[in-house]
Amino acid sequence: EAGVTQFPSHSVIEKGQTVTLRCDPISGHDNLYWYRRVMGKEIKFLLHFVKESKQDESGMPNNRFLAERTGGTYSTLKVQPAELEDSGVYFCASSRDRAGELFFGEGSRLTVL
Amino acid sequence: KQEVTQIPAALSVPEGENLVLNCSFTDSAIYNLQWFRQDPGKGLTSLLLIQSSQREQTSGRLNASLDKSSGRSTLYIAASQPGDSATYLCAVRPNNNDMRFGAGTRLTVKP
Repeated sequence: EAGVTQFPSHSVIEKGQTVTLRCDPISGHDNLYWYRRVMGKEIKFLLHFVKESKQDESGMPNNRFLAERTGGTYSTLKVQPAELEDSGVYFCASSRDRAGELFFGEGSRLTVL
Repeated sequence: KQEVTQIPAALSVPEGENLVLNCSFTDSAIYNLQWFRQDPGKGLTSLLLIQSSQREQTSGRLNASLDKSSGRSTLYIAASQPGDSATYLCAVRPNNNDMRFGAGTRLTVKP
């Protein structure tokens, strides 16, 4: 069974540009989460999907971040326009049940210059 | 607001030692607690999940305990090996959406 996959593994962009990160959860996992770790800080929750519906987006930093999960399969996280403080590692995780075991992807490292 | 603290921040032990990693959280109202390991530049690998009604979980050389009333969890690693070197993260789920992480304990097992 394939795990959670994320693309790209690393993205380097300039301030003001747009980046879109993609996450493919484990097949059959309705729950999909986005997390972020910025330099030197703990991993922080961004948002939670159940199928295509956003259940909780309280962790999204501001309106430059847009997450979608059309069709309830893969999800995208778009940052537009990117700022320097957006640099970090963006993790995606999925679980079968709402409070079940979380399985993480390898992360997408974003560097904004 | 749920705060998760992991002590120590770093730990270095010789191969073969048994060791304990500590995790504390401020709010005992949790759904579950999960321990992960992270290797440099990699994602998080789930080690053990303890539901709020459970006291401990075991997997191979790993044993995790949970004491909700005191807000503590420990991860016990028996007979440590160099391959156990990684950062160990504790995370608690205060509700069915969010998960709060500690800063991690960086473990080095010397051959």
